Amino acid sequence: NAGVTQTPKFRVLKTGQSMTLLCAQDMNHEYMYWYRQDPGMGLRLIHYSVGEGTTAKGEVPDGYNVSRLKKQNFLLGLESAAPSQTSVYFCASSGDRATREYFGPGTRLTVT
Amino acid sequence: EDKVVQSPLSLVVHEGDTVTLNCSYEVTNFRSLLWYKQEKKAPTFLFMLTSSGIEKKSGRLSSILDKKELFSILNITATQTGDSAIYLCAVVNSGGGADGLTFGKGTHLIIQP
Repeated sequence: NAGVTQTPKFRVLKTGQSMTLLCAQDMNHEYMYWYRQDPGMGLRLIHYSVGEGTTAKGEVPDGYNVSRLKKQNFLLGLESAAPSQTSVYFCASSGDRATREYFGPGTRLTVT
Repeated sequence: EDKVVQSPLSLVVHEGDTVTLNCSYEVTNFRSLLWYKQEKKAPTFLFMLTSSGIEKKSGRLSSILDKKELFSILNITATQTGDSAIYLCAVVNSGGGADGLTFGKGTHLIIQP
């Protein structure tokens, strides 16, 4: 079991460029989440999904879009990157809403 | 809006000391509280607490929840340098609002040899 994997691990973008972060889990979890972590801010929920084909907004959704076409994958897209989106992005999954979440290794994104 | 406040934000102690990390919360329809340890990469799960007054233990780490006073503590006894990390507290509510965890800002714990 690989658990939760994320690609890429690092990325540098210029302002206005677009990119997609991929999250994959092999635990057959229904719930998947995208968080961002900034210094002194803890983790903040961007978007989440409660099952294949569903997505919903979290605390800080602006500037991001997501898709969950397959149960095991959750994609996070930045259509027009901004320096304020420089952050470390974590994907997580869980089997149920109130149970522990399993985190991926993170993607460090820098927007110049 | 759910809120989680951790204290202290940073703490430096010597190896062998005992530390207590605090987490207070305001959440509608509380469901559970979780503690995570974050070293260089992803947060790793420590405890999940749902019932008041029941201590969870794992080796030198223990945690307890007080649902009346809306807080939890994480204790680490006989600290080691490997305990150096950011400790995150998070809560889950049982309905309404966004799913996912609401995290505090974390306590950055440094254990000096």
